[in-house]
Amino acid sequence: AQSVTQPDIHITVSEGASLELRCNYSYGATPYLFWYVQSPGQGLQLLLKYFSGDTLVQGIKGFEAEFKRSQSSFNLRKPSVHWSDAAEYFCAVAAINAGNNRKLIWGLGTSLAVNP
Amino acid sequence: GAGVSQSPSNKVTEKGKDVELRCDPISGHTALYWYRQSLGQGLEFLIYFQGNSAPDKSGLPSDRFSAERTGGSVSTLTIQRTQQEDSAVYLCASSLEGLSTQYFGPGTRLLVL
Repeated sequence: AQSVTQPDIHITVSEGASLELRCNYSYGATPYLFWYVQSPGQGLQLLLKYFSGDTLVQGIKGFEAEFKRSQSSFNLRKPSVHWSDAAEYFCAVAAINAGNNRKLIWGLGTSLAVNP
Repeated sequence: GAGVSQSPSNKVTEKGKDVELRCDPISGHTALYWYRQSLGQGLEFLIYFQGNSAPDKSGLPSDRFSAERTGGSVSTLTIQRTQQEDSAVYLCASSLEGLSTQYFGPGTRLLVL
């Protein structure tokens, strides 16, 4: 069965430090992978997505993610974190179910806190 | 353009009452999703509509939950005989088709007393 694991429930970094949020997936075929961000009091917003091609994907707000098939990972990175990056981050993989319908399987999220 | 809208933004109800939550997707989006997010939890998939296909109801937690999508646009999620454990934020999302970017509404915060 398809699944997404975000091993880190909560991460705290200092402003200006680099960031890496981990995401591992389980999916038999080539995955379609997504990272979403949910800021306090805000709706979910797409940061970036990987469908095919270059395994290093650039997103909004200076984020990037790298698809590594051998490790079944799609980790999110940012070289220098800003205080406004404090939010909940969700990784998701697109799955096709028995009825040939498509939906996203979501990780439980990683809560990011940024110290001044 | 207009994004995904949901109403009401907040709903307080008494245990045992029925509630209806509404979602207006982005015009032209054929796929519509309902999720539930409990405090401190991730997104729990509830139901997925794709065009005229039969909806994927595999995430509905009990037969008290149902949803419909009229005319391929607006969707209503109905919870009958609400229980306190139904308290959560209910999120709706739409996309052009099943694998493309999902755009989320602001959610309906449901509190069952």
